Amino acid sequence: GAGVSQSPSNKVTEKGKDVELRCDPISGHTALYWYRQSLGQGLEFLIYFQGNSAPDKSGLPSDRFSAERTGGSVSTLTIQRTQQEDSAVYLCASTFHHRGNTEAFFGQGTRLTVV
Amino acid sequence: AQSVTQLDSQVPVFEEAPVELRCNYSSSVSVYLFWYVQYPNQGLQLLLKYLSGSTLVKGINGFEAEFNKSQTSFHLRKPSVHISDTAEYFCAVSGNNQGGKLIFGQGTELSVKP
Repeated sequence: GAGVSQSPSNKVTEKGKDVELRCDPISGHTALYWYRQSLGQGLEFLIYFQGNSAPDKSGLPSDRFSAERTGGSVSTLTIQRTQQEDSAVYLCASTFHHRGNTEAFFGQGTRLTVV
Repeated sequence: AQSVTQLDSQVPVFEEAPVELRCNYSSSVSVYLFWYVQYPNQGLQLLLKYLSGSTLVKGINGFEAEFNKSQTSFHLRKPSVHISDTAEYFCAVSGNNQGGKLIFGQGTELSVKP
């Protein structure tokens, strides 16, 4: 498709399980970003990729969170041993380049609920 | 480091009334400024951006914003709102050498009533 695609759209998981969230950016976009949207915390930056490398992982909240990007395209965000405070909407965005003065295109997000 | 403050968490307004959503930022470096809108159960969509040049920028759906460097503000305005403008609005900044990551404000929920 033409836009950023995220899957699944909704995920309910039991506390302690691992989850993988997927993001398919717009074709040709070199930069990819993960954000988390939760009540009380607003929209928080997690990590960004330039190509397959992640120059900035400063927003990952703990070592249970990791992300990778392969082929300069699809990215997966993995949360290990999920906790209830991980419940949030995880948004992915992509941009044509990483220089800051460009529009970010967002996916519709994955709503994660940890029970 | 940058930070963004949206001064109003909720703004109720009647249809066809004007509205202003306030945004202030702080940064030690030059920034680019953005307003994004999020309709219910959807991702974020760019309304407008300030990169350089004219401080008054116009965006989609009749919105505009004015960059005020001395007051470090980037308030969003619309002269006459519609029911369909009901959504959450986010102000964001991006630094020049920070990989394009966005720092967002807490969001303002605009509720347009008939």
